Amino acid sequence: DAKTTQPPSMDCAEGRAANLPCNHSTISGNEYVYWYRQIHSQGPQYIIHGLKNNETNEMASLIITEDRKSSTLILPHATLRDTAVYYCNRLRGGSQGNLIFGKGTKLSVKP
Amino acid sequence: SQTIHQWPATLVQPVGSPLSLECTVEGTSNPNLYWYRQAAGRGLQLLFYSVGIGQISSEVPQNLSASRPQDRQFILSSKKLLLSDSGFYLCAWSLADTQYFGPGTRLTVL
Repeated sequence: DAKTTQPPSMDCAEGRAANLPCNHSTISGNEYVYWYRQIHSQGPQYIIHGLKNNETNEMASLIITEDRKSSTLILPHATLRDTAVYYCNRLRGGSQGNLIFGKGTKLSVKP
Repeated sequence: SQTIHQWPATLVQPVGSPLSLECTVEGTSNPNLYWYRQAAGRGLQLLFYSVGIGQISSEVPQNLSASRPQDRQFILSSKKLLLSDSGFYLCAWSLADTQYFGPGTRLTVL
């Protein structure tokens, strides 16, 4: 049980922003939201994580709603290489975490 | 910078044969180490994790075992493989909460 809900697939035009939603309505106060992606036949790649505040790094931005029940991963200028399955996870801080990847969102970036 | 290696990259083994998959981490000390399995079209399943040499916690009872003979070495083993052991095996490391994955080993049991 991944305890997060994501759409199974999304398309995005190359160069446009990709906005990937995630629902985690039962998230606890000490659980972080983590995003990974997995390109076919490769190991998952860490993207970003956050607790309450919005976060940004060189790969993406993470927008977490004020009630923390949902979040959106934003890839500002999607490229063909961003085509992958994106996983949204919950992880309790300070734990030897068990990342329970669900089925994720298959993002297809099209030229 | 830290890097994580897994080998072999792919493996085809007959049912009943033994298994040994290796994972090593470079560029860090005393990491937490993890073994996950990803079955075709499914999510990740945590198999084992380790917080130090010789310390192994098992998350799922099965015919697999794990060992950590050195600080940055994590080994996944089986004495007799089953068909259901086929999958994509991933090793990961962390110092705090964020886990970083290796390239994986794709195991096919025939």
